[in-house]
Amino acid sequence: KAGVTQTPRYLIKTRGQQVTLSCSPISGHRSVSWYQQTPGQGLQFLFEYFSETQRNKGNFPGRFSGRQFSNSRSEMNVSTLELGDSALYLCASSPLGGGLGELFFGEGSRLTVL
Amino acid sequence: GQQVMQIPQYQHVQEGEDFTTYCNSSTTLSNIQWYKQRPGGHPVFLIQLVKSGEVKKQKRLTFQFGEAKKNSSLHITATQTTDVGTYFCAGRWAGGTSYGKLTFGQGTILTVHP
Repeated sequence: KAGVTQTPRYLIKTRGQQVTLSCSPISGHRSVSWYQQTPGQGLQFLFEYFSETQRNKGNFPGRFSGRQFSNSRSEMNVSTLELGDSALYLCASSPLGGGLGELFFGEGSRLTVL
Repeated sequence: GQQVMQIPQYQHVQEGEDFTTYCNSSTTLSNIQWYKQRPGGHPVFLIQLVKSGEVKKQKRLTFQFGEAKKNSSLHITATQTTDVGTYFCAGRWAGGTSYGKLTFGQGTILTVHP
């Protein structure tokens, strides 16, 4: 069974630009969560989607948004990038969602904002 | 918001020594999970604890969930260099009709000196 796939793996943007990250969950998993990982803040929850509906959202500004498609693939978008958005963005899929079961993480998308 | 406090932030041990990391919540958790992230890698699920006072073992790893379901610990006996990495706990709170989410602790970075 293929794991969680995130693209792109690495990207460099400049302040003010926007970025879209993609996540393909494990087949059959309907829940996709996104986390931001930085050395100082650890793993911060961004949002979770389950069957195309946003079920939960973390404390991030509205510049961070996401969506989930009918095939469970998910994208997150960050608009008007700031230097502080530089981080590893991790996607995790789960069959149950809601923090009830194991999260399967992808390798992450490492974003550098210059 | 609800937080999980994890200590210590760093732990340096000699190979063969034991290691323990602790997580605490101010409110009762419904379940807690543990993850390990190797340097340069992504978090990998280790275990989930659900019941009050639960103790689970995986070879040299022992996981405990407190009686009040507010704290948890991970203990590694006789560390090996393969144990190097960051250990995260992730807690979930059950709250009425709210859809749960996992909130990660800050992580404990374990270094093992051969």
